[in-house]
Amino acid sequence: AQTVTQSQPEMSVQEAETVTLSCTYDTSENNYYLFWYKQPPSRQMILVIRQEAYKQQNATENRFSVNFQKAAKSFSLKISDSQLGDTAMYFCAFMKPREGGSEKLVFGKGTKLTVNP
Amino acid sequence: DAMVIQNPRYQVTQFGKPVTLSCSQTLNHNVMYWYQQKSSQAPKLLFHYYDKDFNNEADTPDNFQSRRPNTSFCFLDIRSPGLGDAAMYLCATSSLRTGTGGGYTFGSGTRLTVV
Repeated sequence: AQTVTQSQPEMSVQEAETVTLSCTYDTSENNYYLFWYKQPPSRQMILVIRQEAYKQQNATENRFSVNFQKAAKSFSLKISDSQLGDTAMYFCAFMKPREGGSEKLVFGKGTKLTVNP
Repeated sequence: DAMVIQNPRYQVTQFGKPVTLSCSQTLNHNVMYWYQQKSSQAPKLLFHYYDKDFNNEADTPDNFQSRRPNTSFCFLDIRSPGLGDAAMYLCATSSLRTGTGGGYTFGSGTRLTVV
């Protein structure tokens, strides 16, 4: 079974600075997807960024980028120019494609990020 | 806007009293999921529907049931809630019609308190 580990339960960063959230995973699969989801306080979980394992190029979405190291099974999230609205719980998640006709996300325990003014 | 809506946002139920949580979607996604998220823990998949096919996770207690009467709606029934069932319950959808690995769309969750 796949597992996802986020070793930083909590982190904080000053507004406008850069922060990196760590994620490692364990799988024997070669083809899979990795995600970072953001869950603001009392609000819904939303997709931040997505990486396909067969793509070597790291995904980027505006201020959010990942460092995907497939051999090391590492998938870190970098947030540049941090904003107060980035304060949230961040979940790293793993997905195998189309297992049994559906796709199941396996989540890490999350990292609580606080952006300080 | 197309979305996933969960009602209610907060639910208080008595120990042992059946409770139903609801989820609706306007995305026409064919897969709907229910996750349980306890404080400081990762969301845990309870079950999902792929169209009308129900898929239960092996470690989901029998106390938890689900219904999907049509594409838009999915319900989570807890037959006899215990104190350990207090958690945030997340509904999510995905569409396998548009390909794989597209990620989920989540609702805002229902926070269940058992008293």
